[in-house]
Amino acid sequence: DVKVTQSSRYLVKRTGEKVFLECVQDMDHENMFWYRQDPGLGLRLIYFSYDVKMKEKGDIPEGYSVSREKKERFSLILESASTNQTSMYLCASSLAGSYTGELFFGEGSRLTVL
Amino acid sequence: QKEVEQDPGPLSVPEGAIVSLNCTYSNSAFQYFMWYRQYSRKGPELLMYTYSSGNKEDGRFTAQVDKSSKYISLFIRDSQPSDSATYLCAMSDLTTSGTYKYIFGTGTRLKVLA
Repeated sequence: DVKVTQSSRYLVKRTGEKVFLECVQDMDHENMFWYRQDPGLGLRLIYFSYDVKMKEKGDIPEGYSVSREKKERFSLILESASTNQTSMYLCASSLAGSYTGELFFGEGSRLTVL
Repeated sequence: QKEVEQDPGPLSVPEGAIVSLNCTYSNSAFQYFMWYRQYSRKGPELLMYTYSSGNKEDGRFTAQVDKSSKYISLFIRDSQPSDSATYLCAMSDLTTSGTYKYIFGTGTRLKVLA
């Protein structure tokens, strides 16, 4: 059974803290994505990676960075968390050249910044 | 203007009804069109994808694309309470790195009443 695992389902952090969200996939997928999901705004792409150590900015990269040191792992970093980063964060992966649009999602990490 | 527009609902229908969910988009470069289903507290999962204008059927689900009008639809026949979920349309956009990234609508929350 294919799987994308996000390390934390629920996190509560303070403003200014550094936050790491980890995502691991076991499908040997080349592409990995970080989205945030907010009511009324849907899923918005933060960053994606198409290979180890390669990354591209999505639509809302400000305030975030990412790291992909191994193929199976893609980390999202909030250098200094702010209250407007309170959200549901979803990690996804896909095969390189996948034209079916099949993204495999994790169950999400709900982050609250106080 | 958002690249993808989707009515957020909520949409409540009686069991057995035909449901119509719709999205419009502005970018004529979008190539592939997907529908995802997201149950509460879960990540989205791919329901259907289409490429060309026309209809595609899969059981009780029919996806329709009209590229000339930049309009896509998902029809659910004989709707069941188990269809209660949020339905998100998504479209693929080819990036300069040759990776497909996916632009999502806001999602329509559907409730099928028994």
